[in-house]
Formats: sequence, C-alpha cells, structure tokens
Amino acid sequence: RKEVEQDPGPFNVPEGATVAFNCTYSNSASQSFFWYRQDCRKEPKLLMSVYSSGNEDGRFTAQLNRASQYISLLIRDSKLSDSATYLCVVRGVSGNTPLVFGKGTRLSVIA
Amino acid sequence: EAGVAQSPRYKIIEKRQSVAFWCNPISGHATLYWYQQILGQGPKLLIQFQNNGVVDDSQLPKDRFSAERLKGVDSTLKIQPAKLEDSAVYLCASSPRDLYTDTQYFGPGTRLTVL
Repeated sequence: RKEVEQDPGPFNVPEGATVAFNCTYSNSASQSFFWYRQDCRKEPKLLMSVYSSGNEDGRFTAQLNRASQYISLLIRDSKLSDSATYLCVVRGVSGNTPLVFGKGTRLSVIA
Repeated sequence: EAGVAQSPRYKIIEKRQSVAFWCNPISGHATLYWYQQILGQGPKLLIQFQNNGVVDDSQLPKDRFSAERLKGVDSTLKIQPAKLEDSAVYLCASSPRDLYTDTQYFGPGTRLTVL
C-alpha cells in the first residue's frame, strides 16, 4: 500500500459546482496533514493545513478522519482559477520526518 | 520578499553526462530540501539540510547523486552520471525556522531531460 494515495482524476466540473477529493494514508502515526496546490508547470504551494477538528478557508474545507486514515478537501462554488493539481501531503511522527506527497488529483473547472 | 531561486530552469543532457543544479533559499531559512518530481507523480524528497548539516538523505541515490550546502545558505545538487530515468523536475524548497515548521516554500524547479 502506498504511503499516500489519491485518485488522479481528472475531475472535470462546471463553474459553480462543488467538488470533493479524498486521500488515504498508510501510517497511522502520522501527525500533520496538508493540501498543496500545483498549477501546470509550476511549483507546489501550500493551500491549507488539515486539523483534526476540520478547518475552512473561504470556499475550501478540509477534514481529517484519523480512524479511517483519510483526508478530504471540499471546494464550493468552483472557479476557473481553481483548475490545478491538488496534492495531499502527510508528515510522520515528528517534525524531523519528511513530508510525503501523494501523486495529486487534477481538477479542471470548465466555463 | 524574494522567493526560492533555482537555476538553470531547463537542462537537456545525454545519458552518462553530468549536471548540477543550484538553489538559493529564502533569506534566513535554515532548512533546505531537494525534491525530485517525475511527470505524473508527487514530489519525492531526495535530501534535507538543516543549516549546513544533512538531516535526511535516505532516498538520495548516492551512487550518482550528491548535494551540498557548505555555508548553510545556497545549495547544489549534482547527478553524475545521469540516466534516462533521472528526467524530472528538481524542486528546491526552504522552511523559515526549524525542523518543526510545516510550511515549505518551493522554487520554480529545474526541468531536466536526459536523452
């Protein structure tokens, strides 16, 4: 089982739609979780951290389910500018362990 | 504030040749990372420096890859000799404080093509 698994997509959705991505991780001792965004031929950028209680940033909501070892990202009211690859990222038991990236889920928002 | 700088942006070489990449992190960032991102995959950590010391190089193919950060600021990553499967984007990232900082800031990457 891969450390971090994501559905690669692509997810093609119309503007204004709500879309959700899931990600599963294999190491139950993982402590920190993130979503990064990567535009085509650009570098990854932190979108948001994921907390146990769930967190929201505007149209974006992240959830963590430790029991089932999955992380989700919900995007409401999709914009054309949301088109990108969304990378699920997990860190192990301490800050000394490296970030492990999933392969990413590609989203295309269509007018 | 200037971001992470990398050069060159693109490099094309033939297999068995050598290549070197350079990274200048954000000023004051103690932690520096080199990642390899193969097309269709997420970034994979090659090596992590804290100041000029190596924290993690467990996934660095040491028979052909080497990296240094001599003065704790900029860093170079070298491949010698290159193989076809080394074709990828090499990303450098830095973190502002210490090992427990989660946010990493990535440079634009160097796109390597090995023919």
